[in-house]
Amino acid sequence: DAMVIQNPRYQVTQFGKPVTLSCSQTLNHNVMYWYQQKSSQAPKLLFHYYDKDFNNEADTPDNFQSRRPNTSFCFLDIRSPGLGDAAMYLCATSLGAAGTDTQYFGPGTRLTVL
Amino acid sequence: AQSVTQPDIHITVSEGASLELRCNYSYGATPYLFWYVQSPGQGLQLLLKYFSGDTLVQGIKGFEAEFKRSQSSFNLRKPSVHWSDAAEYFCAVGARIGYSTLTFGKGTMLLVSP
Repeated sequence: DAMVIQNPRYQVTQFGKPVTLSCSQTLNHNVMYWYQQKSSQAPKLLFHYYDKDFNNEADTPDNFQSRRPNTSFCFLDIRSPGLGDAAMYLCATSLGAAGTDTQYFGPGTRLTVL
Repeated sequence: AQSVTQPDIHITVSEGASLELRCNYSYGATPYLFWYVQSPGQGLQLLLKYFSGDTLVQGIKGFEAEFKRSQSSFNLRKPSVHWSDAAEYFCAVGARIGYSTLTFGKGTMLLVSP
């Protein structure tokens, strides 16, 4: 089945130690998104790629970076995680970026910062 | 800017009873509207979406939602709730112009009692 895969499902890191979260997709979608979801809150869009075009949300901290080396993979890098970055990180994809393009979500990576 | 309000943080419904989850949106025109469900520790799954046309839309798992322009609402309903419906439900709005990133509400946690 075509799907969105996130690895690892659970990640523990230390305060200030860089961490990378991975997302891959078999849907061959053009757009990939990263959301941050803190406990009992709405998912918040951090950034997205349309093909190789990177689109950063205005309020996304510089501490968060992303890479998309090819269509299938997208990475979220947190350069110096703080305690406030502990959250569920959701990857999503869509065929296009029009409003009618449904976003398909992966299962998420739960990040713990010690 | 678009926004979504889900006024109920938690709702408890008896198994077999009917369900209505409320969603109100703010947008300058008719938006694209979505309902997603998130089971514990999982990503988001699309239940249904409204783009145009018939204001009553049918989704998966027996859910439906009705778009009411006059009330800026898109409430989710199910006639008979099953224990497996216990999850968190998110309403989201997408813009019709430009990149259609989603804005989510804060979610409603549905608890199902025996």
